[in-house]
Amino acid sequence: GAVVSQHPSRVICKSGTSVKIECRSLDFQATTMFWYRQFPKQSLMLMATSNEGSKATYEQGVEKDKFLINHASLTLSTLTVTSAHPEDSSFYICSACPPGGGAGDETQYFGPGTRLLVL
Amino acid sequence: RKEVEQDPGPFNVPEGATVAFNCTYSNSASQSFFWYRQDCRKEPKLLMSVYSSGNEDGRFTAQLNRASQYISLLIRDSKLSDSATYLCVVNPPDNFNKFYFGSGTKLNVKP
Repeated sequence: GAVVSQHPSRVICKSGTSVKIECRSLDFQATTMFWYRQFPKQSLMLMATSNEGSKATYEQGVEKDKFLINHASLTLSTLTVTSAHPEDSSFYICSACPPGGGAGDETQYFGPGTRLLVL
Repeated sequence: RKEVEQDPGPFNVPEGATVAFNCTYSNSASQSFFWYRQDCRKEPKLLMSVYSSGNEDGRFTAQLNRASQYISLLIRDSKLSDSATYLCVVNPPDNFNKFYFGSGTKLNVKP
């Protein structure tokens, strides 16, 4: 079945540094990818929709200058957490839909997630 | 108001029990609904879609009530391996590929 990968799987960084997380669709092209954040004991929160070749669409309350999204190709979206702070420590998960999915097609595939710890 | 609301639980049940979760959604025009399962520190995985006519997959039954804007998940003959967090997911009407997740309901099945 379709696979979505994320890299790195976990990262520890110092406060003030920037961290880039990659999301790749391994065997299909994804014009749209989604980025979620999950704090401990909470559910996933949609952060933004990543659109290949155009600007990402951010959910209300998500700072676009803080969380930079680049969807440079049909198989790669990156999320950069700029000037990370301890409160950005979270589990970041991406998902992607194969082309042809629509009307709530359930073929949305999730990456394994990236654990970010900011010290 | 949140797009999707769930009782966080936990639901502690013995093996073999039947347990049901409900989830309410705020946008009456929402198109599609799903139940996902998430194990600790893992990504969510699709459990089943929820169709208007209701659907069943083995021990799992999902139902949709559009009039009251809720969906339900019924698990029969609970197994220890069913212990997980169950996430209710809704597609908003403006984007069929966008998911809004409920807070999740924690299920603990005890021997």
